[in-house]
Amino acid sequence: AAGVIQSPRHLIKEKRETATLKCYPIPRHDTVYWYQQGPGQDPQFLISFYEKMQSDKGSIPDRFSAQQFSDYHSELNMSSLELGDSALYFCASSLDPGVETQYFGPGTRLLVL
Amino acid sequence: SQQGEEDPQALSIQEGENATMNCSYKTSINNLQWYRQNSGRGLVHLILIRSNEREKHSGRLRVTLDTSKKSSSLLITASRAADTASYFCANAGGTSYGKLTFGQGTILTVHP
Repeated sequence: AAGVIQSPRHLIKEKRETATLKCYPIPRHDTVYWYQQGPGQDPQFLISFYEKMQSDKGSIPDRFSAQQFSDYHSELNMSSLELGDSALYFCASSLDPGVETQYFGPGTRLLVL
Repeated sequence: SQQGEEDPQALSIQEGENATMNCSYKTSINNLQWYRQNSGRGLVHLILIRSNEREKHSGRLRVTLDTSKKSSSLLITASRAADTASYFCANAGGTSYGKLTFGQGTILTVHP
Protein backbone atom coordinates (compact mmCIF):
# COMPACT_ATOMS: atom_id res chain seq x y z
CA ALA A 1 0.00 0.00 0.00
CA ALA A 2 1.14 3.52 -0.75
CA GLY A 3 2.53 5.46 2.18
CA VAL A 4 3.21 9.08 2.97
CA ILE A 5 6.22 10.35 1.06
CA GLN A 6 8.50 13.06 2.37
CA SER A 7 11.40 14.76 0.69
CA PRO A 8 14.16 15.33 1.21
CA ARG A 9 14.96 12.68 3.83
CA HIS A 10 17.97 14.59 5.10
CA LEU A 11 18.82 18.27 4.89
CA ILE A 12 21.76 20.28 6.15
CA LYS A 13 21.47 24.05 6.26
CA GLU A 14 23.36 26.98 7.70
CA LYS A 15 21.86 29.45 10.18
CA ARG A 16 19.66 32.08 8.57
CA GLU A 17 19.13 29.97 5.45
CA THR A 18 15.77 28.74 4.20
CA ALA A 19 14.45 25.22 3.74
CA THR A 20 11.45 23.68 2.05
CA LEU A 21 10.12 20.30 3.08
CA LYS A 22 7.66 18.43 0.92
CA CYS A 23 4.96 15.92 1.79
CA TYR A 24 2.89 13.71 -0.48
CA PRO A 25 -0.06 12.18 1.39
CA ILE A 26 -1.54 8.76 0.86
CA PRO A 27 -3.84 8.87 -2.21
CA ARG A 28 -7.38 10.03 -1.34
CA HIS A 29 -6.28 11.42 2.01
CA ASP A 30 -7.47 15.01 2.24
CA THR A 31 -5.84 16.04 5.50
CA VAL A 32 -2.15 16.69 6.11
CA TYR A 33 -0.44 17.35 9.44
CA TRP A 34 3.08 18.55 10.20
CA TYR A 35 4.92 17.63 13.39
CA GLN A 36 8.36 18.49 14.75
CA GLN A 37 10.33 16.10 16.93
CA GLY A 38 13.42 17.40 18.68
CA PRO A 39 16.14 15.05 19.94
CA GLY A 40 14.77 12.86 22.72
CA GLN A 41 11.40 14.64 22.57
CA ASP A 42 7.90 13.60 21.62
CA PRO A 43 6.45 14.94 18.36
CA GLN A 44 4.88 18.39 18.57
CA PHE A 45 2.06 19.46 16.28
CA LEU A 46 2.86 22.38 13.98
CA ILE A 47 0.03 22.87 11.51
CA SER A 48 -2.61 20.98 9.53
CA PHE A 49 -4.60 21.35 6.34
CA TYR A 50 -7.94 19.95 5.30
CA GLU A 51 -9.06 20.23 1.70
CA LYS A 52 -6.29 22.76 1.01
CA MET A 53 -7.33 25.08 3.83
CA GLN A 54 -5.44 25.51 7.09
CA SER A 55 -7.47 23.64 9.69
CA ASP A 56 -5.42 23.96 12.85
CA LYS A 57 -2.28 25.60 14.07
CA GLY A 58 0.04 24.60 16.87
CA SER A 59 3.40 25.79 18.06
CA ILE A 60 4.68 26.82 14.66
CA PRO A 61 7.12 29.75 14.61
CA ASP A 62 6.21 32.80 12.54
CA ARG A 63 9.33 32.04 10.47
CA PHE A 64 7.61 28.91 9.19
CA SER A 65 4.76 28.76 6.72
CA ALA A 66 2.99 25.93 4.99
CA GLN A 67 0.38 25.27 2.39
CA GLN A 68 -1.49 22.43 0.75
CA PHE A 69 -1.74 22.39 -3.01
CA SER A 70 -4.48 21.33 -5.41
CA ASP A 71 -2.99 17.82 -5.66
CA TYR A 72 -3.06 17.64 -1.83
CA HIS A 73 0.68 17.62 -1.40
CA SER A 74 1.97 20.03 1.20
CA GLU A 75 5.11 22.08 1.68
CA LEU A 76 6.59 23.45 4.89
CA ASN A 77 8.72 26.52 4.29
CA MET A 78 11.21 27.47 6.96
CA SER A 79 13.10 30.75 6.87
CA SER A 80 15.83 32.36 8.97
CA LEU A 81 16.77 28.94 10.27
CA GLU A 82 18.08 28.69 13.81
CA LEU A 83 20.16 25.99 15.49
CA GLY A 84 17.09 25.02 17.52
CA ASP A 85 15.20 24.13 14.35
CA SER A 86 17.34 21.01 14.03
CA ALA A 87 14.84 18.19 14.38
CA LEU A 88 12.90 15.46 12.65
CA TYR A 89 9.95 16.85 10.73
CA PHE A 90 7.11 14.47 10.13
CA CYS A 91 4.18 14.76 7.82
CA ALA A 92 1.09 12.66 8.41
CA SER A 93 -2.09 12.21 6.44
CA SER A 94 -5.56 10.93 7.21
CA LEU A 95 -8.84 10.36 5.49
CA ASP A 96 -11.16 11.96 8.02
CA PRO A 97 -9.62 14.53 10.38
CA GLY A 98 -10.02 13.77 14.05
CA VAL A 99 -11.67 10.43 13.39
CA GLU A 100 -9.35 8.19 11.48
CA THR A 101 -5.78 7.01 11.82
CA GLN A 102 -2.96 9.38 11.00
CA TYR A 103 -0.28 7.73 8.92
CA PHE A 104 3.17 9.19 9.24
CA GLY A 105 5.87 9.60 6.64
CA PRO A 106 9.49 8.63 7.28
CA GLY A 107 10.38 12.18 8.25
CA THR A 108 12.91 14.76 7.13
CA ARG A 109 15.92 15.12 9.36
CA LEU A 110 16.99 18.77 9.35
CA LEU A 111 20.35 19.79 10.72
CA VAL A 112 21.08 23.49 11.07
CA LEU A 113 24.74 24.36 11.48
CA SER B 1 0.51 21.62 29.37
CA GLN B 2 -1.68 19.76 26.90
CA GLN B 3 0.71 16.86 26.80
CA GLY B 4 -0.01 13.54 28.37
CA GLU B 5 2.33 11.42 30.34
CA GLU B 6 3.52 7.91 29.82
CA ASP B 7 4.55 5.46 32.45
CA PRO B 8 7.07 3.98 32.75
CA GLN B 9 9.57 6.14 30.89
CA ALA B 10 11.72 3.07 30.29
CA LEU B 11 10.98 -0.64 30.50
CA SER B 12 13.45 -3.50 30.18
CA ILE B 13 12.21 -7.09 29.89
CA GLN B 14 13.21 -10.51 28.59
CA GLU B 15 11.88 -12.03 25.40
CA GLY B 16 8.62 -13.84 26.01
CA GLU B 17 7.53 -11.57 28.83
CA ASN B 18 4.62 -9.16 28.59
CA ALA B 19 5.12 -5.40 28.50
CA THR B 20 2.57 -2.92 29.77
CA MET B 21 2.76 0.81 29.11
CA ASN B 22 0.38 3.39 30.52
CA CYS B 23 -0.65 6.74 29.17
CA SER B 24 -2.61 9.61 30.68
CA TYR B 25 -4.08 12.61 28.94
CA LYS B 26 -5.69 15.86 30.01
CA THR B 27 -8.42 16.81 27.56
CA SER B 28 -11.49 15.14 26.12
CA ILE B 29 -10.68 12.94 23.15
CA ASN B 30 -12.17 11.61 19.94
CA ASN B 31 -9.73 8.75 19.84
CA LEU B 32 -6.36 7.66 21.14
CA GLN B 33 -3.67 6.18 18.92
CA TRP B 34 -0.54 4.23 19.78
CA TYR B 35 2.63 4.47 17.71
CA ARG B 36 6.00 2.75 17.71
CA GLN B 37 9.23 4.48 16.77
CA ASN B 38 12.54 2.79 16.23
CA SER B 39 15.48 4.97 17.13
CA GLY B 40 15.25 8.24 15.19
CA ARG B 41 13.01 6.77 12.53
CA GLY B 42 9.40 7.07 11.46
CA LEU B 43 6.29 6.62 13.56
CA VAL B 44 4.50 3.37 12.84
CA HIS B 45 0.82 3.26 13.69
CA LEU B 46 -0.12 0.35 15.94
CA ILE B 47 -3.73 0.73 16.98
CA LEU B 48 -6.53 3.30 17.32
CA ILE B 49 -9.16 3.14 20.04
CA ARG B 50 -12.18 5.42 19.89
CA SER B 51 -13.58 7.29 22.87
CA ASN B 52 -16.62 5.00 23.03
CA GLU B 53 -14.50 1.84 23.10
CA ARG B 54 -13.01 0.28 26.21
CA GLU B 55 -10.72 -2.39 24.80
CA LYS B 56 -9.23 -3.33 21.47
CA HIS B 57 -6.97 -6.13 20.26
CA SER B 58 -4.63 -6.43 17.32
CA GLY B 59 -2.37 -9.48 17.18
CA ARG B 60 -0.16 -9.41 20.27
CA LEU B 61 -1.39 -5.92 21.19
CA ARG B 62 -4.16 -5.11 23.62
CA VAL B 63 -5.21 -1.54 24.31
CA THR B 64 -7.59 -0.36 26.98
CA LEU B 65 -9.15 3.06 27.42
CA ASP B 66 -10.69 4.53 30.56
CA THR B 67 -12.15 7.92 29.71
CA SER B 68 -13.26 8.53 33.31
CA LYS B 69 -9.62 8.33 34.41
CA LYS B 70 -8.30 9.83 31.17
CA SER B 71 -5.91 6.94 30.78
CA SER B 72 -5.00 4.17 28.38
CA SER B 73 -2.71 1.17 28.48
CA LEU B 74 -0.89 -0.82 25.83
CA LEU B 75 -0.06 -4.45 26.52
CA ILE B 76 2.36 -6.32 24.29
CA THR B 77 2.21 -10.05 24.95
CA ALA B 78 5.00 -12.56 24.34
CA SER B 79 7.47 -9.80 23.53
CA ARG B 80 10.25 -10.23 20.98
CA ALA B 81 13.61 -8.53 20.60
CA ALA B 82 12.17 -6.84 17.50
CA ASP B 83 9.64 -5.04 19.74
CA THR B 84 12.49 -2.92 21.12
CA ALA B 85 11.46 0.67 20.34
CA SER B 86 9.87 3.78 21.80
CA TYR B 87 6.11 3.66 22.17
CA PHE B 88 3.96 6.78 22.13
CA CYS B 89 0.32 7.35 22.82
CA ALA B 90 -1.29 10.26 21.03
CA ASN B 91 -4.76 11.63 21.52
CA ALA B 92 -6.94 13.41 19.00
CA GLY B 93 -8.65 15.97 21.23
CA GLY B 94 -12.39 16.49 21.15
CA THR B 95 -12.23 20.16 20.20
CA SER B 96 -9.33 20.00 17.76
CA TYR B 97 -9.42 19.25 14.07
CA GLY B 98 -7.57 15.99 14.43
CA LYS B 99 -4.18 17.16 15.64
CA LEU B 100 -2.45 14.61 17.83
CA THR B 101 -1.05 15.44 21.24
CA PHE B 102 1.67 12.95 22.10
CA GLY B 103 2.69 11.55 25.42
CA GLN B 104 6.35 11.51 26.38
CA GLY B 105 6.86 7.93 25.28
CA THR B 106 8.08 4.70 26.84
CA ILE B 107 11.41 3.25 25.76
CA LEU B 108 10.99 -0.53 25.65
CA THR B 109 14.02 -2.82 25.54
CA VAL B 110 13.43 -6.52 25.01
CA HIS B 111 16.48 -8.67 25.71
CA PRO B 112 16.88 -11.88 23.70
